[in-house]
Amino acid sequence: GAVVSQHPSRVICKSGTSVKIECRSLDFQATTMFWYRQFPKQSLMLMATSNEGSKATYEQGVEKDKFLINHASLTLSTLTVTSAHPEDSSFYICSASSQTYGYTFGSGTRLTVV
Amino acid sequence: AQSVSQHNHHVILSEAASLELGCNYSYGGTVNLFWYVQYPGQHLQLLLKYFSGDPLVKGIKGFEAEFIKSKFSFNLRKPSVQWSDTAEYFCAASSNQAGTALIFGKGTTLSVSS
Repeated sequence: GAVVSQHPSRVICKSGTSVKIECRSLDFQATTMFWYRQFPKQSLMLMATSNEGSKATYEQGVEKDKFLINHASLTLSTLTVTSAHPEDSSFYICSASSQTYGYTFGSGTRLTVV
Repeated sequence: AQSVSQHNHHVILSEAASLELGCNYSYGGTVNLFWYVQYPGQHLQLLLKYFSGDPLVKGIKGFEAEFIKSKFSFNLRKPSVQWSDTAEYFCAASSNQAGTALIFGKGTTLSVSS
């Protein structure tokens, strides 16, 4: 079946630094990738939708300059949290969409900003 | 605006009890519906999905859901829960257009006591 690999699974960074999270579809090509954020005991909130080779579409209230998304190929999307602050601490989840497999989720990245 | 609502925030049951979790959606056009489960410390796992056809959908682990178009509902059911069903359950929806994101409900925490 389809597998989406997300790295790192956990990261701790200092306030003011940037963190990059990778999302790879391992055995299929993803036409579209999505990035979600999940606060403890809450739902997944869609942050942005990205298609290969084009600019990401951000949801209302999501700062595009803070959460940089790059979708360089059909198998890789990255989310960079720039100038991270403690309020950015959260669980970030990517999802890849394909005609064959539908939606496949990564295992998530726990970001802690100290 | 597209939205998914889950009525039950926290459900507590004893083993062997029957389960029904409510989900309502608000979507323009044709909608695809999903139920996901998230066990503690794990990533999302698809329980079942409805695209078209028979409105009663059977999924994994003995779960089923019924799509009732007139009520805009897609409730999840299980005749007899087990302790291992303790988890977070998310209802989600998307349009049937390729490349559209899943929109999640707020989730329901199910606690099953043995």
